[in-house]
Amino acid sequence: KAGVTQTPRYLIKTRGQQVTLSCSPISGHRSVSWYQQTPGQGLQFLFEYFSETQRNKGNFPGRFSGRQFSNSRSEMNVSTLELGDSALYLCASSFMDRATVPNTEAFFGQGTRLTVV
Amino acid sequence: GENVEQHPSTLSVQEGDSAVIKCTYSDSASNYFPWYKQELGKGPQLIIDIRSNVGEKKDQRIAVTLNKTAKHFSLHITETQPEDSAVYFCAASIGTYTGTASKLTFGTGTRLQVTL
Repeated sequence: KAGVTQTPRYLIKTRGQQVTLSCSPISGHRSVSWYQQTPGQGLQFLFEYFSETQRNKGNFPGRFSGRQFSNSRSEMNVSTLELGDSALYLCASSFMDRATVPNTEAFFGQGTRLTVV
Repeated sequence: GENVEQHPSTLSVQEGDSAVIKCTYSDSASNYFPWYKQELGKGPQLIIDIRSNVGEKKDQRIAVTLNKTAKHFSLHITETQPEDSAVYFCAASIGTYTGTASKLTFGTGTRLQVTL
């Protein structure tokens, strides 16, 4: 079974631009979460989508947004990029089975390394 | 909100020795505690997890213990090998039957170095 796929792996953008990152979850997984990883702040939760609906959101400004498509693939967008947005952006997918004990294992992709110059 | 503290930040052990990494959490409602290993240039890899209805779980050389009363959980790696060298993260979340529990709060990470 293929793992979580994130594209692109690397991006260099200029301040003020916007960027879109893509994530394809593990087949059958309906939940997709996004995290930002930086040396200073560590791993921080951005938001989570399940069945095309945002269910949970972290403490990030409105410049950070996302969406999920009917095939569970997800994108996140950052508008008006700032230098501080330089980070590794990680996507994680989970299988949510409401009929049994919560299956909350989250499997991460390799991430997209965003550099803002 | 939930806060997870992790210690130590760096840990150096000799090959064959054991390594222990400890975490504490603040929200007593947290009931799911995964551990991740992150190698350079890669995303975090789930290595073991434990739920609050279990006190200990073992998978070959890796074990995790949970003390709900003290809100502590620990990762134990025995017979360490050079390939165990990586950054390890603990995390906590609240799992529910409605499947809303996918927000992980991470510790700050432990850089484990296994020397020959």
